[in-house]
Amino acid sequence: DAKTTQPNSMESNEEEPVHLPCNHSTISGTDYIHWYRQLPSQGPEYVIHGLTSNVNNRMASLAIAEDRKSSTLILHRATLRDAAVYYCILSSQGAQKLVFGQGTRLTINP
Amino acid sequence: NAGVTQTPKFQVLKTGQSMTLQCAQDMNHEYMSWYRQDPGMGLRLIHYSVGAGITDQGEVPNGYNVSRSTTEDFPLRLLSAAPSQTSVYFCASRPTSRVSGYTFGSGTRLTVV
Repeated sequence: DAKTTQPNSMESNEEEPVHLPCNHSTISGTDYIHWYRQLPSQGPEYVIHGLTSNVNNRMASLAIAEDRKSSTLILHRATLRDAAVYYCILSSQGAQKLVFGQGTRLTINP
Repeated sequence: NAGVTQTPKFQVLKTGQSMTLQCAQDMNHEYMSWYRQDPGMGLRLIHYSVGAGITDQGEVPNGYNVSRSTTEDFPLRLLSAAPSQTSVYFCASRPTSRVSGYTFGSGTRLTVV
């Protein structure tokens, strides 16, 4: 399984944008980049995924580098409810599991 | 749409007891799986299923059994509980016909004493 590297923790302020980085230098051509988040005492929640092009949905945007060796999850306007552990995961279409690393613990200051 | 429903939410077992953790989804997802999460760690895959009648092992299957008789249900059985199985258990599902995110349940917190 290709590995991802994320900062252990990040801090931001409410109502400001947040950019969460992820490095995946050994990504293969069939790997999709998935992001999940886990709020305290809850199950993981799907955020977004992409292959090559940047993606937007109601929760966030995903910016993928041209060489696909890194990506950034963008929360456009953070709220206190965005405080969570964010996981960047590589997964091919037929993969049978998600491999969770340690993720980035995001703290939002009021 | 209830999504993925797990029961019970909390359970305390004595060493050697057996029990079944229930997982049900109403999204007609072919793929279902069980993960465990130990304190301060990421999730690890226990067992998974790509459809009714088909199951396979994940990375930490020992001490657990699964079966998949219907698309909707994927129960996880602890055969003889051990303190090392104290963990939070999450069930997840997704469709297999397209690339999609997983939907996770809210978890079962299990303590084995």
